Amino acid sequence: DIQMTQSPSSLSASVGDRVTITCRASQDISTFLVWFQQIPGKAPESLIFAASTLQSGVPSRFSGSGSGTYFTLTINSLQPEDFATYYCQQYKDYPLTFGGGTRVQIK
Amino acid sequence: EVQLVESGGGLVQPGGSLRLSCAASGFTFSDHYMDWVRQAPGKGLEWVARSRDEAHSYTTEYAASVKGRFTVSRDASLNSLFLLMNGLNVDDTAVYYCSRVMTHSGTYPPGDYWGQGTLVTVSS
Repeated sequence: DIQMTQSPSSLSASVGDRVTITCRASQDISTFLVWFQQIPGKAPESLIFAASTLQSGVPSRFSGSGSGTYFTLTINSLQPEDFATYYCQQYKDYPLTFGGGTRVQIK
Repeated sequence: EVQLVESGGGLVQPGGSLRLSCAASGFTFSDHYMDWVRQAPGKGLEWVARSRDEAHSYTTEYAASVKGRFTVSRDASLNSLFLLMNGLNVDDTAVYYCSRVMTHSGTYPPGDYWGQGTLVTVSS
């Protein structure tokens, strides 16, 4: 199975900050990676697919990059509605696997 | 508007069975792969099962933790996805989500739309 490791597991930031979350795959997954945002009590929502393609309707302050085994999700100018947990998921091979999540909290 | 509505969750005893449903609307159901994903209380997301589209004969994939116990199926006439869960144990306690899979340049990025989830509690 492909292991997905996110870091950090949590972080504290202020409105207006730039935040970067890292996701590492245990083997080469090319760009078969998606990022999700989950607000407590709600279903996840898709932010980015194919490592760097923004889903329709997602604000442009979100961006993704990377390929192979190293990926990042960057949020420029953090907004109050961005405080949530973020997950990466690979879809290169079965079983599909998620990272452990990164909780973004208000400083 | 794409909508996914899960139902069928509840309290079940260890060793019992439950069938979850996901009613889909707003898109051509047969043209999309569909996934079940679960989230144990306070924990992260775990992919459970996949049903491919009609073009791929609705073939299926499963996580090792549920293979042989869970079965994913569809009723195209009802635009519905199902998850039959047998041999349930306490580790299966979770919110179960159905989600739609995109098609993008011959690849299948998961999770462009999600249902609200249905809670399954396995306890004696």
